[in-house]
Amino acid sequence: DAMVIQNPRYQVTQFGKPVTLSCSQTLNHNVMYWYQQKSSQAPKLLFHYYDKDFNNEADTPDNFQSRRPNTSFCFLDIRSPGLGDAAMYLCATSREGTNQETQYFGPGTRLLVL
Amino acid sequence: AQSVTQLGSHVSVSEGALVLLRCNYSSSVPPYLFWYVQYPNQGLQLLLKYTSAATLVKGINGFEAEFKKSETSFHLTKPSAHMSDAAEYFCVTSGTYKYIFGTGTRLKVLA
Repeated sequence: DAMVIQNPRYQVTQFGKPVTLSCSQTLNHNVMYWYQQKSSQAPKLLFHYYDKDFNNEADTPDNFQSRRPNTSFCFLDIRSPGLGDAAMYLCATSREGTNQETQYFGPGTRLLVL
Repeated sequence: AQSVTQLGSHVSVSEGALVLLRCNYSSSVPPYLFWYVQYPNQGLQLLLKYTSAATLVKGINGFEAEFKKSETSFHLTKPSAHMSDAAEYFCVTSGTYKYIFGTGTRLKVLA
């Protein structure tokens, strides 16, 4: 089945130690998104890629970066994690990013910052 | 600006009872609307999607939703709740490269 895969499912890091979360997709979609979801809240969009074009949300902290080396893979880098960055991180994809399209979500990576 | 409002952050129903989760939208143009379900420590799974082809939309797991333009609503229903329906439900509308989420409704199913 075509799908969105996130690794690892759980990640523990130390305060200030850089961490990378990964996402891959077999849907061959052009758009990949990263969301942050804190407990009992809706997901919050951090940024998205259309192909290799990176689009940052205005309120995404500089501490969060992303890379998309090819169509299938996208990475979320947190340069200096703080305690407030502990959250579920969700990757999603859509074919072209139009408003009628479905976004397909991965299972998420839960990040714990000690 | 587009938005969705979910009424009730927590809803409890007995097993076998009707499930009704409420969502109202605000949009100056015909919206695209989605319902997603999120089980604990999981990603979001699409339940159903409204794209103006039909006002009554049937989804997975026995859920359906009816688009009512006069009430600007897109409520989610299921005739008979099952224990496995306990989860968080999000009503979503969309723009280009953007999902606009409701605040979510946590459904609890009582035995």
